[in-house]
Amino acid sequence: EVQLLDSGGGLVQPGGSLRLSCSASGITFSSYGMIWVRQAPGEGLEWVSAISGSGGSTYYADSVKGRFSISRDNSNNTLYLQMSSLRADDTAVYYCARRSGFSSGWSDYWGQGTLVTVSS
Amino acid sequence: EIVMTQSPASLSVSPGERDTLSCRASQTVNSNLAWYQQKPGQAPRLLIYGASTRATGIPARFSGSGSGTEFTLTISSLQSEDFAVYYCQQYNSWPLTFGQGTKVEIK
Repeated sequence: EVQLLDSGGGLVQPGGSLRLSCSASGITFSSYGMIWVRQAPGEGLEWVSAISGSGGSTYYADSVKGRFSISRDNSNNTLYLQMSSLRADDTAVYYCARRSGFSSGWSDYWGQGTLVTVSS
Repeated sequence: EIVMTQSPASLSVSPGERDTLSCRASQTVNSNLAWYQQKPGQAPRLLIYGASTRATGIPARFSGSGSGTEFTLTISSLQSEDFAVYYCQQYNSWPLTFGQGTKVEIK
């Protein structure tokens, strides 16, 4: 059974940093691209970042480019999102999700989400 | 950036009725279109990929159609568990983009 477990969320002050993790089980982790998607309170889904199965290719939404960094540890089946210079509008539930292919495709499995609150 | 526009924003439907949701892309996404269902407090759930292929375990009452810029999700006979928000997403090009969602409520 495929499982994705998001963690690392919490309350952080504006300008602060946080690292999210997504632990995967039940899959050959390195065979799949992964993405982060966020959802602000009461709002829709917003794609944040993506990474290929090898970690060699990364992509970012303009809203987070230069502030967030996606990475993965295929030996430990874990995806990361390092977030810095956090702003109030980064407040959201952050979901990791598996892509159907190595570096493309739809998202067929999702984590349960982890809440990030940016506030003083 | 490809803008995905869903309509309507919300609709009220009685159980057992047929329901059609629309999604329009600002430029072609070929058939690289997925539909997701999201219930309150839950992660999105994949329903349809490739514009018309049901994901594993999705009931046959859900069907998708379209290609290029115009897509529809049809629920043939709404069940109580189908009341949720539905999102379309294009994965044809970067950045990946979602529609704003259609909320399906009980009439």
